Amino acid sequence: GENVEQHPSTLSVQEGDSAVIKCTYSDSASNYFPWYKQELGKGPQLIIDIRSNVGEKKDQRIAVTLNKTAKHFSLHITETQPEDSAVYFCAASRTGRRALTFGSGTRLQVQP
Amino acid sequence: DSGVTQTPKHLITATGQRVTLRCSPRSGDLSVYWYQQSLDQGLQFLIQYYNGEERAKGNILERFSAQQFPDLHSELNLSSLELGDSALYFCASSAGQGANEQYFGPGTRLTVT
Repeated sequence: GENVEQHPSTLSVQEGDSAVIKCTYSDSASNYFPWYKQELGKGPQLIIDIRSNVGEKKDQRIAVTLNKTAKHFSLHITETQPEDSAVYFCAASRTGRRALTFGSGTRLQVQP
Repeated sequence: DSGVTQTPKHLITATGQRVTLRCSPRSGDLSVYWYQQSLDQGLQFLIQYYNGEERAKGNILERFSAQQFPDLHSELNLSSLELGDSALYFCASSAGQGANEQYFGPGTRLTVT
């Protein structure tokens, strides 16, 4: 089955800096890659996603890039703010099996 | 607010007992997924239902079962509970069987003592 690896496990940045989280996947048939933000005591919140026919997608300060050949995708957060502090999860799924396989999570801390 | 609701928010019970977790999907969503989040295993897929029928199974123990009712709400039943079953249980919903985006509820925190 699919295996998703995520790193780093923790990331501390200064407010205003950029943060990058990287994931690799094993199943070449995977074609959907969402990113979730989980704040303490809450459920994962979908913040951005990308499909395999697209190389990059942006939404304000957040962007995701996908390299199908290398089977990795990344989350980029620019101009970080304290409210960006949370645990971020990458995930992957494919047509015919929409259940998500998650990475192990990255705890992002933005220092004011 | 994702529109997915889960009850109860917290549940404390003893080993050997049985509990039922409830999930109501977003209005109009036909698919419901259950996930378990534990410190050592991370977020793991348990089971998926689509319009009342089981569609996919993940790492779900035989002691666990689920169903989706005609009004599309779903219940996850956990029996013969063990200490290791203590975890957060999330349900997520999506528009259709082939739809990509999944929206998660706030979760139920289960503590087995």
